[in-house]
Amino acid sequence: EDKVVQSPLSLVVHEGDTVTLNCSYEVTNFRSLLWYKQEKKAPTFLFMLTSSGIEKKSGRLSSILDKKELFSILNITATQTGDSAVYLCAEPVYNQGGKLIFGQGTELSVKP
Amino acid sequence: EAGVTQFPSHSVIEKGQTVTLRCDPISGHDNLYWYRRVMGKEIKFLLHFVKESKQDESGMPNNRFLAERTGGTYSTLKVQPAELEDSGVYFCASSDAWEGDTQYFGPGTRLTVL
Repeated sequence: EDKVVQSPLSLVVHEGDTVTLNCSYEVTNFRSLLWYKQEKKAPTFLFMLTSSGIEKKSGRLSSILDKKELFSILNITATQTGDSAVYLCAEPVYNQGGKLIFGQGTELSVKP
Repeated sequence: EAGVTQFPSHSVIEKGQTVTLRCDPISGHDNLYWYRRVMGKEIKFLLHFVKESKQDESGMPNNRFLAERTGGTYSTLKVQPAELEDSGVYFCASSDAWEGDTQYFGPGTRLTVL
C-alpha cells in the first residue's frame, strides 16, 4: 500500500533559523512528489518534484528529491513568523487518476 | 483567476441531519477531487471526477455520502444522515490535465456533527 511519512510532526524555531522538513515515501510506480503549505485554510502548492537531485527553489524555500532513497526534504532558510504553517507532502497514485496520498504534515511554528 | 471555492466554510449540524457541501473548481479544470481531514489524521482521498463522470470513488466511506458534478462544473457532496464520525474538514481540489499532478485546493468546509 502506498504510504507517505513526514517528520518531524511538529517543530518550533526562532526567526532566522533554518529548518529541514522530511518526507519519505513508499509508492509503486513513482511519478512525482508534491509539497504544500497550509496556513489557516487552503493548502497552497509549493513544489512538484519529479527528478532526483534537481533542487527546486522559490525564495527562501527549496526542495530536493532522492528517488534512490525514497525521500524528499523541504528547506526553509532565514525563517520568518509568516512561515508558520503545516507543511504537507503528497504523492499522486499512478494509474488511479492522480489522487493524492498525504503525509501527516509537519506543523512549523516560528517564534519572533 | 479565481481559485477553488467551497461553501459553506463551516457547518454545524446534529446527528441524523443532512448537509450538502459545494465546491466550485478553477474554471476549465476537468479534474475535481474531494478529500477529508479528520482530527489528528492525515488528509484522505474521497473521490475523483473527470468532468461529470466519477473516475474513482474508492475513498467514499459509505453510502451515506453522495457526490455529484452535474454539467461538469461545480460539485456537491451530500452526507445523509450525518454521523458523529463524519466531523472533519472537507477539501475540494481541481487540476488541469495539462499541468500534470498539481492539484489546487479550496479552503475547505469544516463540518461538525453534534
